[in-house]
Amino acid sequence: NAGVMQNPRHLVRRRGQEARLRCSPMKGHSHVYWYRQLPEEGLKFMVYLQKENIIDESGMPKERFSAEFPKEGPSILRIQQVVRGDSAAYFCASSLTAMNLNTEAFFGQGTRLTVV
Amino acid sequence: KNQVEQSPQSLIILEGKNCTLQCNYTVSPFSNLRWYKQDTGRGPVSLTIMTFSENTKSNGRYTATLDADTKQSSLHITASQLSDSASYICVVSEGMEYGNKLVFGAGTILRVKS
Repeated sequence: NAGVMQNPRHLVRRRGQEARLRCSPMKGHSHVYWYRQLPEEGLKFMVYLQKENIIDESGMPKERFSAEFPKEGPSILRIQQVVRGDSAAYFCASSLTAMNLNTEAFFGQGTRLTVV
Repeated sequence: KNQVEQSPQSLIILEGKNCTLQCNYTVSPFSNLRWYKQDTGRGPVSLTIMTFSENTKSNGRYTATLDADTKQSSLHITASQLSDSASYICVVSEGMEYGNKLVFGAGTILRVKS
């Protein structure tokens, strides 16, 4: 059973381009979470999705950022018109059920986005 | 504001020695507390999960403690190995209507040297 798969591992974009980050959760997991990690900082929650629905997007900037988790296929985090400040590591996690007392969240290896 | 503070920021120890990492939090409502290990360039991997009713939990050479009254946790690593070199992250679950939201500390970077 493969773990959480993120691709690409590294992504370089010029300012103004679009970045598209993909996350395939563990088999059978329908809950997906996206986090952003800046150097020397902890992971910051961005968005929580459950198959075709956005449950909590309180950590995601209102402009330029969007996320989806379609019925078929991976979850996508899309950043439009990227700026240098978007450079960070973006991690995806998945869980079998909604996060409760003992629910495990499994993390992918992350996508390191560099905006030049 | 919900926060998780970790100390020390970084730590260097000799192989075979023990160490203790600290975590203080102000997350409310509190649901549970987790410790993760994150190797450089990798995603976090879960070490322990503790609810408010548990005050100690072990996973091999890792032992986590929780004092929900003082809102403090610690992670004790026994007989350290070179492979323990990593960032150790304290994560507190904030209770939400839909479940829990994870609030991450910045981590303690541990380096074990021979």
